[in-house]
Amino acid sequence: GAVVSQHPSWVICKSGTSVKIECRSLDFQATTMFWYRQFPKQSLMLMATSNEGSKATYEQGVEKDKFLINHASLTLSTLTVTSAHPEDSSFYICSAPDRGMASNSPLHFGNGTRLTVT
Amino acid sequence: DAKTTQPTSMDCAEGRAANLPCNHSTISGNEYVYWYRQIHSQGPQYIIHGLKNNETNEMASLIITEDRKSSTLILPHATLRDTAVYYCIVRVPYGGSQGNLIFGKGTKLSVKP
Repeated sequence: GAVVSQHPSWVICKSGTSVKIECRSLDFQATTMFWYRQFPKQSLMLMATSNEGSKATYEQGVEKDKFLINHASLTLSTLTVTSAHPEDSSFYICSAPDRGMASNSPLHFGNGTRLTVT
Repeated sequence: DAKTTQPTSMDCAEGRAANLPCNHSTISGNEYVYWYRQIHSQGPQYIIHGLKNNETNEMASLIITEDRKSSTLILPHATLRDTAVYYCIVRVPYGGSQGNLIFGKGTKLSVKP
């Protein structure tokens, strides 16, 4: 089955530093990937849509200069949390459709990255 | 906002079938129903999806009513490892950031010995 790999699975960083999270589609190509964030006891919330070769699309309220997204190839998207603060501590999850963006193409999710900012 | 309504929680005895209901009364004709589950501290796992017809795979069965206003996910023989939050999602057709999945609160299924 289609596999999405996310790295690292957890990271602890100091306030003010930047953290990069990688999302790879292992056995399929993904022109579009989605980045979600999940706070404790809450559901997943879409942050942005990553598009290969073009700029990402951010959801309302998500700062594009703080959450930098790069989708440089058909199998890799990265999310960089810049100048991280404790309120950025969360569970970040990426996903990608394995058969393009048709409505009947399932999204497959990575195992998430637990970010803790101290 | 999520277009689905699910019970907050359910219990199921190990080895029995787990039937998880979902209401999606405002679903449009070209919108698929997707089911995912999330085990604690992991990414969501795809289970099954359907449009009109009932669907079955190695994990579960999906029963969609004829009017498409509700559906039921069936885990035929629940195990302790099926304990998770189950999300029923109506997938928005592709366009811009649409085509992604909008998660509601889901149903927390607890499988008990």
